[in-house]
Amino acid sequence: GAVVSQHPSWVICKSGTSVKIECRSLDFQATTMFWYRQFPKQSLMLMATSNEGSKATYEQGVEKDKFLINHASLTLSTLTVTSAHPEDSSFYICSGRPVTGSVTGELFFGEGSRLTVL
Amino acid sequence: AQSVTQLGSHVSVSEGALVLLRCNYSSSVPPYLFWYVQYPNQGLQLLLKYTTGATLVKGINGFEAEFKKSETSFHLTKPSAHMSDAAEYFCAVSVSGNTPLVFGKGTRLSVIA
Repeated sequence: GAVVSQHPSWVICKSGTSVKIECRSLDFQATTMFWYRQFPKQSLMLMATSNEGSKATYEQGVEKDKFLINHASLTLSTLTVTSAHPEDSSFYICSGRPVTGSVTGELFFGEGSRLTVL
Repeated sequence: AQSVTQLGSHVSVSEGALVLLRCNYSSSVPPYLFWYVQYPNQGLQLLLKYTTGATLVKGINGFEAEFKKSETSFHLTKPSAHMSDAAEYFCAVSVSGNTPLVFGKGTRLSVIA
């Protein structure tokens, strides 16, 4: 159980275009999803906390107008990288926390999405 | 605020040897501690977690970790390394169900035949 599916796994786009990444919790409901960014050979940096039915909470230094996050339902959160530039190239990972049974804060992660901006 | 320190960005062991990956945490309240494993170009998979109770926690793939409050540590061990254990390992901490996980910088484990 507790499966998170992320799509697409790989995406290559031209500079200036927008890219949408989907994160779905397949067998649980998540009022909260977290989006992380991972640079090569580095740790995961929290970008934002996605709350179902409300605005996302962004970490300091993360441009909310560039990284649009929508959490329209208890099983789907999306990250849209707008007007992408090469420096946005990275590995993006989403994670979900079940509504019930996770008082410890355990997260379940998607497979990640590798974005390359040319 | 919580933080995690993983000592050693890269650990190399021989196949069959003991694996020891170190993790120290900082938290003003009792923490929940996790170890995750990441294979190349993949997401994170939970290896094990400590919440409350028994301080020695057993996880998947033969891994275990011991919570030592006096040392603020949560080191990950495996008695005998296997080639398939080669991956990146992350230690993480949280203090409640409402806060995001805070990750260490990760330790890359290499297993030599």
